[in-house]
Amino acid sequence: AQSVAQPEDQVNVAEGNPLTVKCTYSVSGNPYLFWYVQYPNRGLQFLLKYITGDNLVKGSYGFEAEFNKSQTSFHLKKPSALVSDSALYFCAVRDENYGQNFVFGPGTRLSVLP
Amino acid sequence: EPEVTQTPSHQVTQMGQEVILRCVPISNHLYFYWYRQILGQKVEFLVSFYNNEISEKSEIFDDQFSVERPDGSNFTLKIRSTKLEDSAMYFCASSEFLGLDRFFGPGTRLTVL
Repeated sequence: AQSVAQPEDQVNVAEGNPLTVKCTYSVSGNPYLFWYVQYPNRGLQFLLKYITGDNLVKGSYGFEAEFNKSQTSFHLKKPSALVSDSALYFCAVRDENYGQNFVFGPGTRLSVLP
Repeated sequence: EPEVTQTPSHQVTQMGQEVILRCVPISNHLYFYWYRQILGQKVEFLVSFYNNEISEKSEIFDDQFSVERPDGSNFTLKIRSTKLEDSAMYFCASSEFLGLDRFFGPGTRLTVL
């Protein structure tokens, strides 16, 4: 069965600095990987996905993520953080061998300090 | 840009009552999903729906839960007899293709008293 870990509950970064939100996964087959962001009292917004192809995936709002198969990781990155990036970030995985279900990680709260 | 909508945004109910949460998926999407997020916890899959039947469901989705697509636009989640532990944010999602992108609605916050 698939699983997702986000080892950090909270990430703090100063505005203008690069940010990284970590995600590792476990699947039996090939993974489909996703990042979603949740702003307060809002739904989940899709940021980016990795299905196949280039390991570096670019998404919305200047975010990108790098798929690393050997480390089973899919860390979310942004070169220069904005205060408005402060939100809850969820990594999700779907295992190609296990149906339709997405499994979400527990979430990482990102705080960008001015 | 098309989006998934959900109503109501907040539903308060008494324990044991039935509730129906409504969703309007993106119009050309064929796959529909319900997820829930208990306050402070991770997002959990409930059920997926395709071609007018459940295609997959989790252990959470027991006999108290049901889903329906009563017409060409709405997708509903019914909880027959709510329990305190059903209090959560419920997200509807839809996708055009099998199993890939999910487009999520803003959620319905269900509070069971």
